[in-house]
Amino acid sequence: DAGITQSPRHKVTETGTPVTLRCHQTENHRYMYWYRQDPGHGLRLIHYSYGVKDTDKGEVSDGYSVSRSKTEDFLLTLESATSSQTSVYFCAISAAGGHTEAFFGQGTRLTVV
Amino acid sequence: TQLLEQSPQFLSIQEGENLTVYCNSSSVFSSLQWYRQEPGEGPVLLVTVVTGGEVKKLKRLTFQFGDARKDSSLHITAAQPGDTGLYLCAGGRGSSNTGKLIFGQGTTLQVKP
Repeated sequence: DAGITQSPRHKVTETGTPVTLRCHQTENHRYMYWYRQDPGHGLRLIHYSYGVKDTDKGEVSDGYSVSRSKTEDFLLTLESATSSQTSVYFCAISAAGGHTEAFFGQGTRLTVV
Repeated sequence: TQLLEQSPQFLSIQEGENLTVYCNSSSVFSSLQWYRQEPGEGPVLLVTVVTGGEVKKLKRLTFQFGDARKDSSLHITAAQPGDTGLYLCAGGRGSSNTGKLIFGQGTTLQVKP
């Protein structure tokens, strides 16, 4: 199994609070992605990174920010959580971007109440 | 707006039947990947197709990439209950430097014994 760990695995938070999800990899892969998964929408790309300090927006980036200060860690922050951000969040890594296999973490189930 | 449209979104069939899942886009993709996801887990890669017109077989699964690299299909012959799951197509966009990976909304397959 690819060495990719998401934390926390489950979180319940209140509306308006900031939340940070962490993705940690031990594969030294260049590319890292954050997706959210909701029924009927598959996986929607929030932000992705193509190197340390190199990030770009995905399809649904509003209300989210990311940081990648070192190869192994990619952080996703919900600046002020809203109920619409209740979802399952997946981190993925790949060695060479969109043309090679992406390995996924186990997911983080976030509930905003 | 989903860049990759999958159809059907839900499919419930009897064991032994054949089925086809489609993944369509108005955009050209440099590659198409198919993933399978089980409940509570992250998606796992089944296959990558990179050449227009390419056909790949994986046991009872046949994958095809359209000639214009805008669409793909997944055909399952003699479906079995173990094939039950969420099937996702994903397209590689952009240069190899940015490596954006976009997913369709998924097809939920249920195979009844």
